[in-house]
Amino acid sequence: SQQGEEDPQALSIQEGENATMNCSYKTSINNLQWYRQNSGRGLVHLILIRSNEREKHSGRLRVTLDTSKKSSSLLITASRAADTASYFCATDHNTNAGKSTFGDGTTLTVKP
Amino acid sequence: EPEVTQTPSHQVTQMGQEVILRCVPISNHLYFYWYRQILGQKVEFLVSFYNNEISEKSEIFDDQFSVERPDGSNFTLKIRSTKLEDSAMYFCARADRVGTEAFFGQGTRLTVV
Repeated sequence: SQQGEEDPQALSIQEGENATMNCSYKTSINNLQWYRQNSGRGLVHLILIRSNEREKHSGRLRVTLDTSKKSSSLLITASRAADTASYFCATDHNTNAGKSTFGDGTTLTVKP
Repeated sequence: EPEVTQTPSHQVTQMGQEVILRCVPISNHLYFYWYRQILGQKVEFLVSFYNNEISEKSEIFDDQFSVERPDGSNFTLKIRSTKLEDSAMYFCARADRVGTEAFFGQGTRLTVV
């Protein structure tokens, strides 16, 4: 398996519910970033969490990082139909180039 | 206003032709990246570019590919002899420095026929 694996692959919820997506990785990281991608569109940066951080908030988003388990979660609270998108985690693995390794993504559908 | 502008948004080319994808970062930053996403697959790293040099490249980035920043502004990805399997979305990204947020453009959808 590869770095930055998200689960679940697909998630369908009702508007107003919370959505939780998980990401696991294999080797140590500098940071982990979450992105959103609407169908056929570009990647929108959501949040970056560094390896020495455990939790970060941005609006309705909450990201946690557990480096001992090599995992991260993205929680979207009070979801809206507009949150429907694919969500990717991307890890930066201590390279000088700062490249990111993306996971397969979670497709979130929020039903109105 | 987007952090990074990519042109064209969509390009169709015949197999064997050369294509040049362009990226114009709004701000004057040093770190640039190209990624691609084949339809339905994950985003894959192609190359990173710093201080007018390639700093890292993936196995995908073979001799068919090249990057340059010819005028200190535009950042280009050239694919010399396109193959059907080069059909994908190509994303340019920039970062202030290593270890910070990477901001992506809207992508160029390349279709090789």
